[in-house]
Amino acid sequence: TQLLEQSPQFLSIQEGENLTVYCNSSSVFSSLQWYRQEPGEGPVLLVTVVTGGEVKKLKRLTFQFGDARKDSSLHITAAQPGDTGLYLCAGQDSNYQLIWGAGTKLIIKP
Amino acid sequence: KAGVTQTPRYLIKTRGQQVTLSCSPISGHRSVSWYQQTPGQGLQFLFEYFSETQRNKGNFPGRFSGRQFSNSRSEMNVSTLELGDSALYLCASSSTLSGVSYEQYFGPGTRLTVT
Repeated sequence: TQLLEQSPQFLSIQEGENLTVYCNSSSVFSSLQWYRQEPGEGPVLLVTVVTGGEVKKLKRLTFQFGDARKDSSLHITAAQPGDTGLYLCAGQDSNYQLIWGAGTKLIIKP
Repeated sequence: KAGVTQTPRYLIKTRGQQVTLSCSPISGHRSVSWYQQTPGQGLQFLFEYFSETQRNKGNFPGRFSGRQFSNSRSEMNVSTLELGDSALYLCASSSTLSGVSYEQYFGPGTRLTVT
């Protein structure tokens, strides 16, 4: 069974701090996607990384795909209350199915 | 482009009843996936439909079923509802190329409460 482990499960920090969320697996993925979900809404796609070692930036968010395409990280610089939400990663396996992580619940306190 | 729409947004049902949820994908998207989300289990994949055919299926009992119409709209049905079926049900559509699904675009979900 393929697993995608996210850590930490929960993170509560002050506005202005930096943080990193991790997504790890023993399986290789053809691509990996990051989503953010706010309460009462569906997840919204933030980014897709495809190439091993790839780094993508979205304003204060930096996404990295591991060289072996088994892991990924999301780094947020100078977190703001608007970053609060549930962050989900999903890896696309060789059968084109998405394997989902359990999510990281992030709270940014003003 | 209009986003993914789901109806109804909220639903309260009694144990033993059945329920049908509806999803309209983004125009041009032919793949529709359904997910169940609960605080304890996270996001769980139910099934995916592509061109009116179920292409992938998660590990859920046969009480959960779905279908897709020729216009790509999809419905999912849960029969003989149990208390544990209370959850947020999310629909997501994808643009596909050569049958390969890409990023998921989610609707706002249907919040189902079973009493």
